[in-house]
Amino acid sequence: DVKVTQSSRYLVKRTGEKVFLECVQDMDHENMFWYRQDPGLGLRLIYFSYDVKMKEKGDIPEGYSVSREKKERFSLILESASTNQTSMYLCASSFGGTNPSYNEQFFGPGTRLTVL
Amino acid sequence: AQKVTQAQTEISVVEKEDVTLDCVYETRDTTYYLFWYKQPPSGELVFLIRRNSFDEQNEISGRYSWNFQKSTSSFNFTITASQVVDSAVYFCALSEPTSGTYKYIFGTGTRLKVLA
Repeated sequence: DVKVTQSSRYLVKRTGEKVFLECVQDMDHENMFWYRQDPGLGLRLIYFSYDVKMKEKGDIPEGYSVSREKKERFSLILESASTNQTSMYLCASSFGGTNPSYNEQFFGPGTRLTVL
Repeated sequence: AQKVTQAQTEISVVEKEDVTLDCVYETRDTTYYLFWYKQPPSGELVFLIRRNSFDEQNEISGRYSWNFQKSTSSFNFTITASQVVDSAVYFCALSEPTSGTYKYIFGTGTRLKVLA
């Protein structure tokens, strides 16, 4: 059974703290993604990675960074958390292949982050 | 510009009613893929279907059916004889292989409530 796991379901942090969100997939997928989900805005891509140590900015990368040191793990980092980063964060992965746009993404259960 | 519109923010139906969720997309590409995902209360998005732009054949899977019409740029999803377990947020998404990225463009989602 394919699986994407995220380190926490709920997280509460204070403004200015450094926050790490971890995502692990066990499907040997090349591509991994971080989204944030906000009411009325759907899912917005923060960053994605198509290989180890490779990353690309998504639509809303400001205030975030990522790390992918191993194929199965993709970390999202909030260098200095702010209240406007309170959101649901979803990690996903997909197979690469010759046509990655064709492949479905597999999602984790999400981390609901609250920044006070 | 690429865009996915799900105009229905929330729909409520009584169990056993049929319900259609609308999805309208915009793209300049001739090759693209459309997806539907279900997000139950647990939070994890689950892949339902993918459609290739060259394949306009409608699809049926049990109580679920999808109507893809390029002429109206729509990819609508119908649930027949709805059940309480169908209650979820449903997302439509678009991907374009020529965009140079692997990202999806998500709609804002439609929350479906099926009442017993």
